[in-house]
Amino acid sequence: GAGVSQSPSNKVTEKGKDVELRCDPISGHTALYWYRQSLGQGLEFLIYFQGNSAPDKSGLPSDRFSAERTGGSVSTLTIQRTQQEDSAVYLCASDEAGYSTDTQYFGPGTRLTVL
Amino acid sequence: AQSVAQPEDQVNVAEGNPLTVKCTYSVSGNPYLFWYVQYPNRGLQFLLKYITGDNLVKGSYGFEAEFNKSQTSFHLKKPSALVSDSALYFCAVSRRGSTLGRLYFGRGTQLTVWP
Repeated sequence: GAGVSQSPSNKVTEKGKDVELRCDPISGHTALYWYRQSLGQGLEFLIYFQGNSAPDKSGLPSDRFSAERTGGSVSTLTIQRTQQEDSAVYLCASDEAGYSTDTQYFGPGTRLTVL
Repeated sequence: AQSVAQPEDQVNVAEGNPLTVKCTYSVSGNPYLFWYVQYPNRGLQFLLKYITGDNLVKGSYGFEAEFNKSQTSFHLKKPSALVSDSALYFCAVSRRGSTLGRLYFGRGTQLTVWP
């Protein structure tokens, strides 16, 4: 079956612009995660959605970052007023139910470059 | 707090030789442990996980890992390395007893297998 998909695969933007990154999880997966992968920081957790519960936003680095998940499926990560330090690969993952034993399946990522 | 350490940034091994990629963890209580692999410009691919039971876990592509509670380790191993195994490997832990499935990742180990 289809895996996790993300778009765009690459995004180049100018400092101060807003960007939207999209994630399509595996069909039927109720849990969705966003992580960020950057040099020197490794893989950082950003935000977690599970079903209709309030999202866990504890990993968002600033209030310029927000995310939503519509209809329990597609998710959009929005970064407002981008800064150069936002340059990274943004990875989305999904799993069946959000339990700590579940296997997360990752998308190919969106490489964001802020000039 | 949960954390994972991968003490080696790089591991180099000749094709056909056994390989080991090291991982140690620190968690409160018993851990759930995962290994992922990342090929260039790709997302993370799941290799294997330890939840409970047999300490030796077998996974994809001939990889295995041994959970050692006394040494708080979960080293990834393969008896005979292939050039195609060259990639970035991540160890991760999730928190037992939590419904929050977020993963805590190590910083990654670059494996290079030369012909």
